[in-house]
Amino acid sequence: QKEVEQNSGPLSVPEGAIASLNCTYSDRGSQSFFWYRQYSGKSPELIMSIYSNGDKEDGRFTAQLNKASQYVSLLIRDSQPSDSATYLCAVKGEGSNYKLTFGKGTLLTVNP
Amino acid sequence: ETGVTQTPRHLVMGMTNKKSLKCEQHLGHNAMYWYKQSAKKPLELMFVYSLEERVENNSVPSRFSPECPNSSHLFLHLHTLQPEDSALYLCASSQGVGNIQYFGAGTRLSVL
Repeated sequence: QKEVEQNSGPLSVPEGAIASLNCTYSDRGSQSFFWYRQYSGKSPELIMSIYSNGDKEDGRFTAQLNKASQYVSLLIRDSQPSDSATYLCAVKGEGSNYKLTFGKGTLLTVNP
Repeated sequence: ETGVTQTPRHLVMGMTNKKSLKCEQHLGHNAMYWYKQSAKKPLELMFVYSLEERVENNSVPSRFSPECPNSSHLFLHLHTLQPEDSALYLCASSQGVGNIQYFGAGTRLSVL
């Protein structure tokens, strides 16, 4: 049973701070990793994808991947109230041609 | 219209009713998915279609019946549902099975 674990939160940070969201996964052969953002009552939207060890930056967002530790994280710099949402980690395992396994998500609240 | 469109957005039905959810994607993708999202649970993959052929039925009860008449349209036919089937049903599409998925806004289903 492939599992993706996230702290459900809520994670509360002040405006302008760095928000750090973490995700661990059980399938050591996993190759593709995604972060989705889901506002309350809305559908998930892709923020970042990462496929190799290290950091990947896109604007205020940085995804970090450590396959040896089976750990992927998302950093949000200069957090804004509009970043308040649930962040879903999704992992595509080795040999799994079509299934993304999603975590339960972490609720982030950015306080003005 | 762009993206992935789902109708209806909200649906209330009795346990003896028959209804259908509709999904249409305008992205030129060749794979489509149905997910179920219940409160405090991870996204659950229900069905996957690739080039209009079902490639996964993830142990979903037979009261849910998918239909994919072409690569742009996906239906989920519902009959004799149970109250525990109340959830947000999300449709997604991707170019190639297992690649980055784009979600529709979802149908909020309540079974009375």
